[in-house]
Amino acid sequence: ELKVEQNPLFLSMQEGKNYTIYCNYSTTSDRLYWYRQDPGKSLESLFVLLSNGAVKQEGRLMASLDTKARLSTLHITAAVHDLSATYFCAVDFLNDYKLSFGAGTTVTVRA
Amino acid sequence: GAVVSQHPSWVICKSGTSVKIECRSLDFQATTMFWYRQFPKQSLMLMATSNEGSKATYEQGVEKDKFLINHASLTLSTLTVTSAHPEDSSFYICSASGTGRGQSAYGYTFGSGTRLTVV
Repeated sequence: ELKVEQNPLFLSMQEGKNYTIYCNYSTTSDRLYWYRQDPGKSLESLFVLLSNGAVKQEGRLMASLDTKARLSTLHITAAVHDLSATYFCAVDFLNDYKLSFGAGTTVTVRA
Repeated sequence: GAVVSQHPSWVICKSGTSVKIECRSLDFQATTMFWYRQFPKQSLMLMATSNEGSKATYEQGVEKDKFLINHASLTLSTLTVTSAHPEDSSFYICSASGTGRGQSAYGYTFGSGTRLTVV
C-alpha cells in the first residue's frame, strides 16, 4: 500500500523567511504532485514532477524530487501572507492511475 | 487549460433525501473520473474511480449503494448521495483525467467542490 507522509503538518511562518515542506512516499512512484488548497476551496495545481532530480519553480515556491530517496520538497522563499494555505503532495503510479495524498501542511504566514 | 465544472457548489438537504452532484469536463474528454471526500482539516479521501461507460470502482469502506456514481459520457460524471444522513455532510470534490486540448497526459483537473450539509 502506498503511503505518503508530509511534514510538518502545521507551519507557522514569519514573513520574509524561508521554509521547507517535506513529502516522503513509501514505494516507487512515477509522478509527484503538489497542490494548494485555500479554506473552503478545491485544489489548485502547483507542480508536477516527473523524474529524478526534477526541479520546478513558480514565484516564491520551488519543488524538487529525489526518486531514489522517495522524497520531494516544497521550498518557500521569503514567505508572504498570500502563501497562507494548506499544501498537499500526492503521488500516483502509471499502472495504478489514482492519486494518493499526504495529510497536508497548513501554512500560516504572520507578519 | 483544462476545466472541470462541478455543481452545485453547496447544497443543504434534509435527512433521508438524495442529492446529485455533477462534474463536467469542459474542454477535454474525461476518460477517468475520481470522486473524493474531504472532512474539515483533513486530507482528501478517494471514494471511487470511474471510467466512461464502466461501473465505478469503489475504495474499501465506501458504500456503493449509498454513493452512486455514473459516468455515462466522456464529459459528465455524477455522484448521488442516497438517503443522506448528517454524517454524510462533507466536502465532495471530483477530479478528471483524460485527453484533449488543454489536458496534459499527466494531469488531474479538479472540480471546485461541493459542500453538502445534511440536516
